Amino acid sequence: AQSVTQPDIHITVSEGASLELRCNYSYGATPYLFWYVQSPGQGLQLLLKYFSGDTLVQGIKGFEAEFKRSQSSFNLRKPSVHWSDAAEYFCAVGSTGFQKLVFGTGTRLLVSP
Amino acid sequence: NAGVTQTPKFRVLKTGQSMTLLCAQDMNHEYMYWYRQDPGMGLRLIHYSVGEGTTAKGEVPDGYNVSRLKKQNFLLGLESAAPSQTSVYFCASSYRWGGQENTEAFFGQGTRLTVV
Repeated sequence: AQSVTQPDIHITVSEGASLELRCNYSYGATPYLFWYVQSPGQGLQLLLKYFSGDTLVQGIKGFEAEFKRSQSSFNLRKPSVHWSDAAEYFCAVGSTGFQKLVFGTGTRLLVSP
Repeated sequence: NAGVTQTPKFRVLKTGQSMTLLCAQDMNHEYMYWYRQDPGMGLRLIHYSVGEGTTAKGEVPDGYNVSRLKKQNFLLGLESAAPSQTSVYFCASSYRWGGQENTEAFFGQGTRLTVV
């Protein structure tokens, strides 16, 4: 079955430090992969997405993610975190085979001064 | 464009009461989804629809029913609300996967439901 794992429930990063949030998915064919961000009390905003082609994708707010088929991963990165990046981040996968959009349990990012 | 609109935004129900949440999208999307969000559990898929007149169960369908009589609307019903259904509910819509290369899911702002 289609599934998404975000192994880190919470991550704390110092402002200005680099960030990597992990995402692993389980699906045989090429998936449609997404990262969404949710600020407290808000809805979900799309950061970036991957369908095909270049495995390194650029998103909004300086985020990027790399699709690694061999590792079934789609990790989110940012070279320098800002205090305003504190939020919850969700990885999601869709597919032509299952028609659903399935989310991971999320990673809450805390940014320390 | 309004995008995805959910009504109501907030609601308090008593145990055993019924209600319907409405999701409307104006992007001519084929797929629509209902999720619930609970702390530490991410977004769990309740039901989804791949087209007008179709519905399917997601991960947590028990206690909910849905209908998609029109392509632009997806209704989520609670026939007899329980405290365990206290949650934030999100609706989303998208083109079908593979239908358009640049598709994504668009989300409503959520409905905060409390069952007492």
